[in-house]
Amino acid sequence: EAGVTQFPSHSVIEKGQTVTLRCDPISGHDNLYWYRRVMGKEIKFLLHFVKESKQDESGMPNNRFLAERTGGTYSTLKVQPAELEDSGVYFCASSLVGSRSYNEQFFGPGTRLTVL
Amino acid sequence: AQSVTQLGSHVSVSEGALVLLRCNYSSSVPPYLFWYVQYPNQGLQLLLKYTSAATLVKGINGFEAEFKKSETSFHLTKPSAHMSDAAEYFCAVSSFTSGTYKYIFGTGTRLKVLA
Repeated sequence: EAGVTQFPSHSVIEKGQTVTLRCDPISGHDNLYWYRRVMGKEIKFLLHFVKESKQDESGMPNNRFLAERTGGTYSTLKVQPAELEDSGVYFCASSLVGSRSYNEQFFGPGTRLTVL
Repeated sequence: AQSVTQLGSHVSVSEGALVLLRCNYSSSVPPYLFWYVQYPNQGLQLLLKYTSAATLVKGINGFEAEFKKSETSFHLTKPSAHMSDAAEYFCAVSSFTSGTYKYIFGTGTRLKVLA
């Protein structure tokens, strides 16, 4: 069974440009999460989808970030325009059940974003 | 608010020595705790999780962790380190806020195993 996949693995862009990250969750997982790790700091929650609906986007830094999950399958996270402080590793995770506190989230390898 | 503290951003041990990675949590409710590992160029992989069934939790690759409520700790151990254990380890607590369960992570501990 394929795990969570993310594309691209690395992205280097200049300040002011736009970047779109993609996440494909494990097939059948309705819950999809985005997290971000800025260098040297903890991994922080960005948002949570249940199917195509945003359940919680309290962790999104600002309105330069737009996440979508059309059709309830893969998700994209667009950063427009990118700023230097957006650099970091963006992780996607999915889970079968989102309504339990002990639900296991399965993580992808992450996308390393560098904004110059 | 729940939080997680991992003491030591870098830990080095000799091959065959005991591995001890520290994690302390802060939670006003019974916590659900996780340890994840990230090998180079891979995603986060679940090592083990505490869900209140047993205080000593055994995970994959010979790792285990003990939940100690009195110390608010969930330290990760392995009796004998192997070179393949070199990776970054993350402790996390499941937190319910804004209508969803999400992970609150510590800052991670990078384990180096010396030959």
